[in-house]
Amino acid sequence: EVQLVESGGGLVQPGGSLRLSCAASGFTFRTYWMHWVRQAPGKGLVWVSRMNSDGSITDYADSVKGRFTISRDNAKNTLYLQMNSLRAEDTAVYYCTTAGSYRFDNWGQGTLVTVSS
Amino acid sequence: QSALTQPPSASGSPGQSVTISCTGTSSDVGGYNYVSWYQQHPGKAPKLMIYEVTKRPSGVPDRFSGSKSGTTASLTVSGLQAEDEADYYCCSYGGSNNYVFGTGTKVTVL
Repeated sequence: EVQLVESGGGLVQPGGSLRLSCAASGFTFRTYWMHWVRQAPGKGLVWVSRMNSDGSITDYADSVKGRFTISRDNAKNTLYLQMNSLRAEDTAVYYCTTAGSYRFDNWGQGTLVTVSS
Repeated sequence: QSALTQPPSASGSPGQSVTISCTGTSSDVGGYNYVSWYQQHPGKAPKLMIYEVTKRPSGVPDRFSGSKSGTTASLTVSGLQAEDEADYYCCSYGGSNNYVFGTGTKVTVL
């Protein structure tokens, strides 16, 4: 059974940094593209970033480009999202997902990031 | 890139059908057959229901179907059941290595 468990969320001040992790199990992590998708409280889903299976290709939404960095450790079956220069509008639940062909197959339970002073 | 446009709400009685629209542009919905749909119950993670416009993942009931015409995609839920009450989001590949989600539709089973 595919399992994705996000962690690392919490309360951070504007301008601060946070690193999210997503521990994967139940599938061959090193062969999958992975994504981050976020959802502000009471709002819709927004795609954030993706990385290919070996970590050589990354893409970002314009809203986070230059501030967020996606990475992975295939030996540890873990996906990361380093978030710097955080803003109030980054407040959201962050989900990691496995990627099928232009779709998001499996989702974690999410981790809440709150940016506030 | 702007979010795809969905109606805020839709409803139907048990056994009836409900159709949700998802309107984009020629740069996303109209340009690719990569529209997917997600169901999200309150406090839960989204679940993939439809991909590549019309395909259903294994385990998704055939009451759920998808279609597309031009820049508008649609999700139809036939034979509505109480457990279908949820938020539904469409998503399209938007070119230039990014993805765009819809604004979301709350489906109520009356």
